[in-house]
Amino acid sequence: QLQLQESGPGLVKPSETLSLTCTVSGGSISSSSYYWGWIRQPPGKGLEWIGSIYYSGSTYYNPSLKSRVTISVDTSKNQFSLKLSSVTAADTAVYYCARLTISPYSSSFWGQGTLVTVSS
Amino acid sequence: QPVLTQSSSASASLGSSVKLTCTLSSGHSSYIIAWHQQQPGKAPRYLMKLEGSGSYNKGSGVPDRFSGSSSGADRYLTISNLQSEDEADYYCETWDSNTWVFGGGTKLTVL
Repeated sequence: QLQLQESGPGLVKPSETLSLTCTVSGGSISSSSYYWGWIRQPPGKGLEWIGSIYYSGSTYYNPSLKSRVTISVDTSKNQFSLKLSSVTAADTAVYYCARLTISPYSSSFWGQGTLVTVSS
Repeated sequence: QPVLTQSSSASASLGSSVKLTCTLSSGHSSYIIAWHQQQPGKAPRYLMKLEGSGSYNKGSGVPDRFSGSSSGADRYLTISNLQSEDEADYYCETWDSNTWVFGGGTKLTVL
């Protein structure tokens, strides 16, 4: 059964870099059918796509965050990671990792999410 | 890039049906979308992919009460025989050139 699990610090200081890792179990991150993405949700607000990565390493970022975001993949560990630099309080959110797909016949899948608070 | 528009809220009575709408921006009316459900305090859950033809493919374990349909740029999620656990936020999602976008979400209240 597919599972995605986010891990990383729950508290990050302003101006520092937020780092999260998503571990995929029950399926291979090297599948050509899927993209692996990060989505965030500020408290009480909607979902915002941060970026995605393909198993080959190709990356795609939200233009509004592109200058601060780096997503990488480690196929040997079946993990992908997010780095968001120069964080402010506006980056406080629940961060979700997810399996995304552009095929009409394949399903997306979400991790349980992790709250990251930016505060000194 | 496509923009997805959703009503902020909807309500319907227990046991009735409700139809939620997600509207694609001009020039993107043929796009496939996905519907996701987010129950209070939980992570989103994938419900289905929905094509402009009205054809849809549901995720594993999604009840038969959930169905999709389309008309022009509008994509619909219909929930029949509403249950209390259907009270949730519903988001639509689409993609273009390896960029993803979400609608603002509709908060469904079951009366």
